[in-house]
Amino acid sequence: EDQVTQSPEALRLQEGESSSLNCSYTVSGLRGLFWYRQDPGKGPEFLFTLYSAGEEKEKERLKATLTKKESFLHITAPKPEDSATYLCAGRGFKTIFGAGTRLFVKA
Amino acid sequence: NAGVTQTPKFQVLKTGQSMTLQCAQDMNHNSMYWYRQDPGMGLRLIYYSASEGTTDKGEVPNGYNVSRLNKREFSLRLESAAPSQTSVYFCASSFRVDNEQFFGPGTRLTVL
Repeated sequence: EDQVTQSPEALRLQEGESSSLNCSYTVSGLRGLFWYRQDPGKGPEFLFTLYSAGEEKEKERLKATLTKKESFLHITAPKPEDSATYLCAGRGFKTIFGAGTRLFVKA
Repeated sequence: NAGVTQTPKFQVLKTGQSMTLQCAQDMNHNSMYWYRQDPGMGLRLIYYSASEGTTDKGEVPNGYNVSRLNKREFSLRLESAAPSQTSVYFCASSFRVDNEQFFGPGTRLTVL
């Protein structure tokens, strides 16, 4: 059965303290690994799609990477406005979402 | 360009009542989805429509029905609401099923 697991559940950082969020997946015939950002009370907002192991994508302070079993969302020198829940999803036969990592960045 | 819109934003129902959640997209997307989001459980797919004229069950379809009215609109119906259906419901769309999805703002539903 396809599965997507995110860790940690919550992460508290000081402003400027870089870290990584993990997304472990077992998805048969992976056709895409997606990252989304969700702010409280809003719908998820698309960030990145990764298709094959070794691929990397960047946007401002965020960089997503993909291996055959995991994806990482690296956050470099985060700011308070980066506080949100980050969701990853794997697309095989269907799209399966992880439960998310809640990121809190303190000024 | 409004993206994905959902109505209503909030709704309170009594057990046994019925209602329809509306969703529309203006991005000319082929695929549309309905999810529910509960604390600690992430997004779970209820139903999806890969293209106009088709609908398929997702992970948690029991108690729900859907209608793909046309390419733009995809509605979700609760025939007899139950407290277990208290949740936040999101509609999403994508160009094709393998592409990234774009989400609406959500409907917060409480069933008493």
